[in-house]
Amino acid sequence: YDLTQPPSVSVSPGQTATITCSGDRLGDKYASWYQQMAGQSPVLIIYQDSKRPSGIPERFSGSNSGNTATLTISGTQAMDEADYYCQAWDSRNAWAFGGGTVLTVL
Amino acid sequence: EVQLVESGGGLVQPGGSLRVSCLASGFTFSSHWMSWVRQSPGRGLEWVAHIKEDGSQRFYVDSVKGRFILSRDNAENSLYLEMKTVKVEDTAVYYCVRWSRADLTFDHWGHGTLVTVSS
Repeated sequence: YDLTQPPSVSVSPGQTATITCSGDRLGDKYASWYQQMAGQSPVLIIYQDSKRPSGIPERFSGSNSGNTATLTISGTQAMDEADYYCQAWDSRNAWAFGGGTVLTVL
Repeated sequence: EVQLVESGGGLVQPGGSLRVSCLASGFTFSSHWMSWVRQSPGRGLEWVAHIKEDGSQRFYVDSVKGRFILSRDNAENSLYLEMKTVKVEDTAVYYCVRWSRADLTFDHWGHGTLVTVSS
């Protein structure tokens, strides 16, 4: 199961960053998002399309419909610079990741 | 606090074998499905293998089927990945990851262990 993300997204501090993830009928599955800071392990930031684990700031939000899941970062901060990965579970017992998106806060 | 601590990475020659391990703590290991996810240098994340809580079923990405064997010892709170006939393209950081069946997500990640396949 293939998931497609843009390789890079740039945003100015304080603005809204949008990262998309596309896959066949992705809206029929649950999408998760992970943040990976340089040199660190990935961290879960969104699960079941739009839920945030405890400790994840409210500026991170998600949605999923049709063939596209979207991660939105409102009021982007310099500390949000990282790689972001979407992920979904296919009922054929396959766990797929998107190729990742490098977020740059200019 | 959930902790996943990988070990066993290192340098191995193409065609060789290596076993990486993961020691879990801070949760009931025997109640959780577990996975290995790898990341090649400068590349994205790739799911490698998954095992159900009792070890009754295992799933593998096509590229490692027949070469990697995933197992677990619930009495020791440990997860293992036996890597055989390794290839240069298996070079990666291997992360031990907990799968939440309730939330359908990878909710906790280890720090990873680096496996380098090179002659």
